[in-house]
Amino acid sequence: DADVTQTPRNRITKTGKRIMLECSQTKGHDRMYWYRQDPGLGLRLIYYSFDVKDINKGEISDGYSVSRQAQAKFSLSLESAIPNQTAFYFCATSEGTQPQHFGDGTRLSIL
Amino acid sequence: AQSVAQPEDQVNVAEGNPLTVKCTYSVSGNPYLFWYVQYPNRGLQFLLKYITGDNLVKGSYGFEAEFNKSQTSFHLKKPSALVSDSALYFCAVRDSFGTYKYIFGTGTRLKVLA
Repeated sequence: DADVTQTPRNRITKTGKRIMLECSQTKGHDRMYWYRQDPGLGLRLIYYSFDVKDINKGEISDGYSVSRQAQAKFSLSLESAIPNQTAFYFCATSEGTQPQHFGDGTRLSIL
Repeated sequence: AQSVAQPEDQVNVAEGNPLTVKCTYSVSGNPYLFWYVQYPNRGLQFLLKYITGDNLVKGSYGFEAEFNKSQTSFHLKKPSALVSDSALYFCAVRDSFGTYKYIFGTGTRLKVLA
């Protein structure tokens, strides 16, 4: 089983809909991250969390919200989706100086 | 502020030839540097890291990287490229102060031609 699992893997939805992307991990890491990937722009940080009671905005948090339900679960929500939020979304975990571990991503298309 | 630059959008190399994918960085304090590879429809996979110690770091699949503090660079290298190395490569930096935020470059697409 994957260490970092993202659901769904693909989602097509309409403008204005509320969407939740879920991430769960079995690595036991405290730190979790949500990134957005767009062609030519690399990965940009949306939100990150260092434990259940800690939530921090990244560089592009507008239009997004997150919930850290447990150490192992970190959800990303788009309250009212718009077409320019069409992208790949990745969840990652980390611990100490170790590299981040990534899920396989969600391809999100907003029509 | 932290930043990472990957100056080449794409690198083409013939199979069997050496490859280099460039990365330069800017960070306060000592950098923690990482290289990741991404295959289509997959997440990023860790290749290698530099935290401290020897400037030449060896990683997975025969890749290595050289940390150059004076040039603030961390170029990824491989002595002999394989067609299966074709993928998207990302350089990332984290500062050593405990912010635990990772900054990624824009990625370099490597194409190894048979």
